[in-house]
Amino acid sequence: AQKITQTQPGMFVQEKEAVTLDCTYDTSDQSYGLFWYKQPSSGEMIFLIYQGSYDEQNATEGRYSLNFQKARKSANLVISASQLGDSAMYFCAMREGEDYSSASKIIFGSGTRLSIRP
Amino acid sequence: DGGITQSPKYLFRKEGQNVTLSCEQNLNHDAMYWYRQDPGQGLRLIYYSQIVNDFQKGDIAEGYSVSREKKESFPLTVTSAQKNPTAFYLCASRPPPGTSVSYEQYFGPGTRLTVT
Repeated sequence: AQKITQTQPGMFVQEKEAVTLDCTYDTSDQSYGLFWYKQPSSGEMIFLIYQGSYDEQNATEGRYSLNFQKARKSANLVISASQLGDSAMYFCAMREGEDYSSASKIIFGSGTRLSIRP
Repeated sequence: DGGITQSPKYLFRKEGQNVTLSCEQNLNHDAMYWYRQDPGQGLRLIYYSQIVNDFQKGDIAEGYSVSREKKESFPLTVTSAQKNPTAFYLCASRPPPGTSVSYEQYFGPGTRLTVT
């Protein structure tokens, strides 16, 4: 069965430092997609970055990059040069299958609360 | 502006009452989803719908019901059978296949339901 594990319930990081949020996943599918979302205290879910299982390059979006290690089934999020506005909950998520009709469900990890210190 | 709206932002109900949460999107997305989030937890899937007049149970469907009569709307009813209905409820939709961002889910702002 699908499973997403985030082992860091909370992290404190100094402003301007880089931070890595851990995520491991379990799936028996060859084709899947991995996501990271940010949830500020307002509750909205903000999409950050996506990695397809067949993508050979690690995904990057501005200050966000996804360190994808397929053999180890890990998909860690790296935030470079952290800012005070990065303080939020961060969720790793996975969808099995990249075919639209075969699997529309996404499962989420339990999240990591990131706090940036000035 | 295209997006997903959920109303109201905060909802209070007495135990034993059914309550319906609204979710509307004008993004022309076929697929829509309902999630529940408890404090300090991740999101859990309640129901999802890939097309009008069709929907499937997610992982925690008991005590909930949905309808999908229009593409734009996917209301969720929290029934009195739901034992612990107090939670944050998020609605999402997904672009159709073949688009450059078809993998992504777009979320609404959420409804915080409190049942006493």
